[in-house]
Amino acid sequence: RKEVEQDPGPFNVPEGATVAFNCTYSNSASQSFFWYRQDCRKEPKLLMSVYSSGNEDGRFTAQLNRASQYISLLIRDSKLSDSATYLCVVNSRAGNKLTFGGGTRVLVKP
Amino acid sequence: GAGVSQSPSNKVTEKGKDVELRCDPISGHTALYWYRQSLGQGLEFLIYFQGNSAPDKSGLPSDRFSAERTGGSVSTLTIQRTQQEDSAVYLCASSLFWREKLFFGSGTQLSVL
Repeated sequence: RKEVEQDPGPFNVPEGATVAFNCTYSNSASQSFFWYRQDCRKEPKLLMSVYSSGNEDGRFTAQLNRASQYISLLIRDSKLSDSATYLCVVNSRAGNKLTFGGGTRVLVKP
Repeated sequence: GAGVSQSPSNKVTEKGKDVELRCDPISGHTALYWYRQSLGQGLEFLIYFQGNSAPDKSGLPSDRFSAERTGGSVSTLTIQRTQQEDSAVYLCASSLFWREKLFFGSGTQLSVL
């Protein structure tokens, strides 16, 4: 089992719709969780950290489910500019380094 | 403030040559990562430095790959006897501490002919 797993997608989303996707992790002791966004041929950029109580940043909501060992990202009122690959990041069991999932591709269409 | 800086931004080399890629992390950041990303693929972890601890080299694909971090700051990734399959974007990232958010450089596009 991979340490951090994501549905690769693509998720085809009509503009204005809501989309949500998860990321599962294997290390029950993980403490740090992030969502990154990567545009084609660009470096990943931090979208948001994920806190135990869940957090929201504008149209984006992140949740952590420790019992089932997954984090989620929900995008409301999707914009064309939200089209990107979304990467989840979790600190792994070995050396506490941060491990990336394979990414979920989101395509928002008019 | 300055972000993570990588050089060169592009490198074209011939098969069999050695290359060095440089990363200047954000000042004061103790953790530094190298990743590789082939076109259309995910991030492949290569190596991780944290402070003065021994680096985690578990992601290096072969003994042709090595990296060092001098003085806890600048890092150099060296690829010896490059092969065509080494062609990829090499990304460096740093964070303030071991489980803090990562900041990425813009990468080095390596092309091996």
